Amino acid sequence: QVQLVESGGGVVLPGRSLRLSCAVSGFLLTDYGMHWVRQAPGKGLECVAVISHDGSFKEHADPVKGRFTVSRDTSKNTVYLQMNSLRVDDTAVYYCARDQNYYFDYWGQGTLVTVSS
Amino acid sequence: EIVMTQSPDTLSVSSGGRATLSCRASQSIGAMLAWYQQKPGQTPRLFIFGASTRATGVPVRFSGSGSGTEFTLTISSLQSDDSAIYYCQHYGAWPRTFGQGTKVEIK
Repeated sequence: QVQLVESGGGVVLPGRSLRLSCAVSGFLLTDYGMHWVRQAPGKGLECVAVISHDGSFKEHADPVKGRFTVSRDTSKNTVYLQMNSLRVDDTAVYYCARDQNYYFDYWGQGTLVTVSS
Repeated sequence: EIVMTQSPDTLSVSSGGRATLSCRASQSIGAMLAWYQQKPGQTPRLFIFGASTRATGVPVRFSGSGSGTEFTLTISSLQSDDSAIYYCQHYGAWPRTFGQGTKVEIK
């Protein structure tokens, strides 16, 4: 069955870096685009980054552009989010989600990133 | 960027009653709209896509309608299990923005 499992979250100082991973099973990354979506404590959902099924299209939301980078390793069935120059307002649960004809049909359980001094 | 606006922020309805949630897009998105349900401490779950198609396992009391800029999610007979926050999302372009959510409570 389809599974998405995020990891890599934690507590980090402002200005530091973290790399999140999303390990998928039950489908191939070469067949589906993948998204990173975050949710700040008590707040709504915000798309952060996307990578297309063939890896040719990558985009990042304006608040993270130039600091975050999405990538993937199809041999490991894993999608990554490299987060640099982290800010306090990047604190959130980060979900990966599968793109099914542009909407999100499967989500991971999320990993919490806390940026605090 | 397309802005999605939901109303109301909170909806309190009696058990068995009808709940109507609204979502407005800042520009036309055709039928490229999804609804997600999120319960406290849980992952969002796809409920509706294509504005009106129920996802697998979603009860028939949930229905979606609309096109262009105005959309509605209706729960015909509210059950206690329906207490959650519901988010609309357009998926016609990047970034795939969400509405701020409507919290549905049982009165």
